[in-house]
Amino acid sequence: GQSLEQPSEVTAVEGAIVQINCTYQTSGFYGLSWYQQHDGGAPTFLSYNALDGLEETGRFSSFLSRSDSYGYLLLQELQMKDSASYFCAVRSPPVKAAGNKLTFGGGTRVLVKP
Amino acid sequence: GAVVSQHPSWVICKSGTSVKIECRSLDFQATTMFWYRQFPKQSLMLMATSNEGSKATYEQGVEKDKFLINHASLTLSTLTVTSAHPEDSSFYICSALPSGRNTGELFFGEGSRLTVL
Repeated sequence: GQSLEQPSEVTAVEGAIVQINCTYQTSGFYGLSWYQQHDGGAPTFLSYNALDGLEETGRFSSFLSRSDSYGYLLLQELQMKDSASYFCAVRSPPVKAAGNKLTFGGGTRVLVKP
Repeated sequence: GAVVSQHPSWVICKSGTSVKIECRSLDFQATTMFWYRQFPKQSLMLMATSNEGSKATYEQGVEKDKFLINHASLTLSTLTVTSAHPEDSSFYICSALPSGRNTGELFFGEGSRLTVL
């Protein structure tokens, strides 16, 4: 099975930097994704790491260490609109009929204050 | 970008009735679609993997006879909640994986909020 751990909540001020850690235990691993979800909305894709290292996309960066079963999402220059829930998700290998599925962590609620 | 359309967005039904939710990929083909369920302030729980032209693969603990999934074409998957009860009230979200793409990105529909009275 799959198990992902991430902090439940983080509070920070505008302009700050927030790092959301994600540790996972999985029976199969193909990559680690990060999604943002505002209340009542659908998840939107932020980043994906299949290999070790840092992926940078604008103000958001994601890191993966497969040997440590660990990754993080880094949110820089926080803005009020970044207040949302952030989910890490493990992608299963693309084999058989149930491959490529995403198993989500519990989510981290980020609250940005003025 | 890839767009996934899901409807209805909101549905209220009486206990014991069935509700069908549609998930369409508008500008791409999706051999595989996924159905998730989300309770308030909780994570997305995968219910089943829907594969075009074959039976869906259900996650452990999900009743296949209660949550009927049909993936009749490369752009449409449906989830039918049969004999709905108040405990089935939840936010149901579909997602689609574009055929042949390997970016790790799933495209999500806007979700369907089901309330069973």
